[in-house]
Amino acid sequence: SAVISQKPSRDICQRGTSLTIQCQVDSQVTMMFWYRQQPGQSLTLIATANQGSEATYESGFVIDKFPISRPNLTFSTLTVSNMSPEDSSIYLCSVYEGSETQYFGPGTRLLVL
Amino acid sequence: EDQVTQSPEALRLQEGESSSLNCSYTVSGLRGLFWYRQDPGKGPEFLFTLYSAGEEKEKERLKATLTKKESFLHITAPKPEDSATYLCAVQSVDGGTSYGKLTFGQGTILTVHP
Repeated sequence: SAVISQKPSRDICQRGTSLTIQCQVDSQVTMMFWYRQQPGQSLTLIATANQGSEATYESGFVIDKFPISRPNLTFSTLTVSNMSPEDSSIYLCSVYEGSETQYFGPGTRLLVL
Repeated sequence: EDQVTQSPEALRLQEGESSSLNCSYTVSGLRGLFWYRQDPGKGPEFLFTLYSAGEEKEKERLKATLTKKESFLHITAPKPEDSATYLCAVQSVDGGTSYGKLTFGQGTILTVHP
């Protein structure tokens, strides 16, 4: 399976600031996904990031709040903009590999004060 | 809208005490049902994908089964290291612009005592 890394692994941020999360994969993948896991909750898809096209956002998530870049087949970034305490979550990237199985990165734990 | 409900929310077992976790789902057309294990502070670890009713898959002490409405994760003679949150997710054939999207349940927190 693909090896996925995320940076930073955790961060504490002030209200109103922005944080960019990086996701690096050790192989080329077409489809990458960004999920959010709020405290005590399960995972919710934020957007799909395919190389060479605009990210596709799920209902309730907008590009101004969560801009995504996908410059190549091994890398993507998610920015959480103008943060509020409600954005405190774990942010996870995932990738498709081969048989439509999704593998997840270790996550970025974000606390907004 | 796809929906996934897992039960129980939490399960406490003694080492060696076998049990099952349930995942009930509603989906317009099932492309796949996924089971993941998530340890505290880590991302979900892939366990199984099931594609059609009647399918079964095994890995060590875990066995996943699938019907048209639910999936079970059977744990045989569990050990303390099996303690984790087990997540179930479905993927619909009707993904549209959300192709590949996984809809997750809330998870079952499993604790196995020695």
